Amino acid sequence: SYELTQPPSVSVSPGQTARITCSGDALPKQYAHWYQQKPGQAPILVIYKDTERPSGIPERFSGSSSGTTVTLTISGVQADDEADYFCQSADSSGTYVFGTGTKVTVL
Amino acid sequence: EVQLVESGGGLVKPGGSLRLSCVASGFTSSNYNMHWVRQAPGKGLEWVSSISRSIPYISYADSVKGRFTISRDNAKNSLYLQMNSLRADDTAVYYCARDPVTDYPSPNWFDPWGQGTLVTVSS
Repeated sequence: SYELTQPPSVSVSPGQTARITCSGDALPKQYAHWYQQKPGQAPILVIYKDTERPSGIPERFSGSSSGTTVTLTISGVQADDEADYFCQSADSSGTYVFGTGTKVTVL
Repeated sequence: EVQLVESGGGLVKPGGSLRLSCVASGFTSSNYNMHWVRQAPGKGLEWVSSISRSIPYISYADSVKGRFTISRDNAKNSLYLQMNSLRADDTAVYYCARDPVTDYPSPNWFDPWGQGTLVTVSS
């Protein structure tokens, strides 16, 4: 089955930049989207269609795409950004797929 | 405010059944594709099922196909998930979520999500 691969964890100091990658063979043909999930809470959309930011999401969140890898970048990381982050896309048949998830720790 | 509220979770024995509900407010759910996504304790997100807004087109993850049934009641602005033949590995928080796009074909993204309802399958 199709998989989206993310690093299990990323650690970053406050004010620095965190980059989370998501790799999958179908990503050149399917958009990717990103969600933030804090403990005990539902996921929240932070990036859609690779690079678009929903209203209400801080500008420090941005997305990019290159070939089979998409990247979520958090610039000027704040303590409040500590959370799990999941990418989401679809396989070649249109079935929804989530990434393995990345825990962002703010040191 | 656009909101989704799930209910119906609980403890059920293996082989049992449960029906989850999701009530939408702040928007007309019949205008949108709707989805169920689950998350096992300490694990990642797993798409479960989707239902389209018209001529309902329905799809399921292989892990639940033949056991789960998604449906909607537009008059009640509600989404449902009937879960039969439940197994221990169905234990998870179940979220309903909306596809916010109405002018572009699926697959898209999920926004917003409900707060989730916990289903525990155990003897």
